[in-house]
Amino acid sequence: AQSVTQLGSHVSVSEGALVLLRCNYSSSVPPYLFWYVQYPNQGLQLLLKYTSAATLVKGINGFEAEFKKSETSFHLTKPSAHMSDAAEYFCAVSGNQFYFGTGTSLTVIP
Amino acid sequence: NAGVTQTPKFQVLKTGQSMTLQCAQDMNHNSMYWYRQDPGMGLRLIYYSASEGTTDKGEVPNGYNVSRLNKREFSLRLESAAPSQTSVYFCASSESLAGDTGELFFGEGSRLTVL
Repeated sequence: AQSVTQLGSHVSVSEGALVLLRCNYSSSVPPYLFWYVQYPNQGLQLLLKYTSAATLVKGINGFEAEFKKSETSFHLTKPSAHMSDAAEYFCAVSGNQFYFGTGTSLTVIP
Repeated sequence: NAGVTQTPKFQVLKTGQSMTLQCAQDMNHNSMYWYRQDPGMGLRLIYYSASEGTTDKGEVPNGYNVSRLNKREFSLRLESAAPSQTSVYFCASSESLAGDTGELFFGEGSRLTVL
């Protein structure tokens, strides 16, 4: 069975600081991995996805994620947080279905 | 380009009442899904439809029924609503069933409160 675990349900960073949101996956086969973002009162939208073409994946709004097979991780980073990055972030793995993590709420402190 | 459209956006029901959430997509996607989102639990799959004419149970199907009316539309019905069904419901679609590199496209959600 496939699953993802997001470490930290709430993360706070100062504006301009590094954003690091953690995701570990469990998969018996090479997975397809995704990060989605949800702004308040909206649906989820895709930030980026890993499809085995490259281990470092760049997404929208300056976010990127690195696939590390040895660590079974797919952490999301952004060098400098902006106020507009405040949202809920979900890691997901795709197998016969999409499996979502429980989400990490990002707060950006001015 | 509307993408995935859900109606209604808000609904308040009394225990025991029934209702149907409607979902339509205009991207010619084959697969459609219904999720519920509850605090601290992420998104949980209720039902999905791999293609027109097929539906399958997800992780939390009890208390729900679905209909894949045609390729565009996928509805979710609560026959006898319970307070435990208070949640935010999301419809999503994808070009094909998960397992390839496709992504999910989500509607804006339907907020349901059962009193």
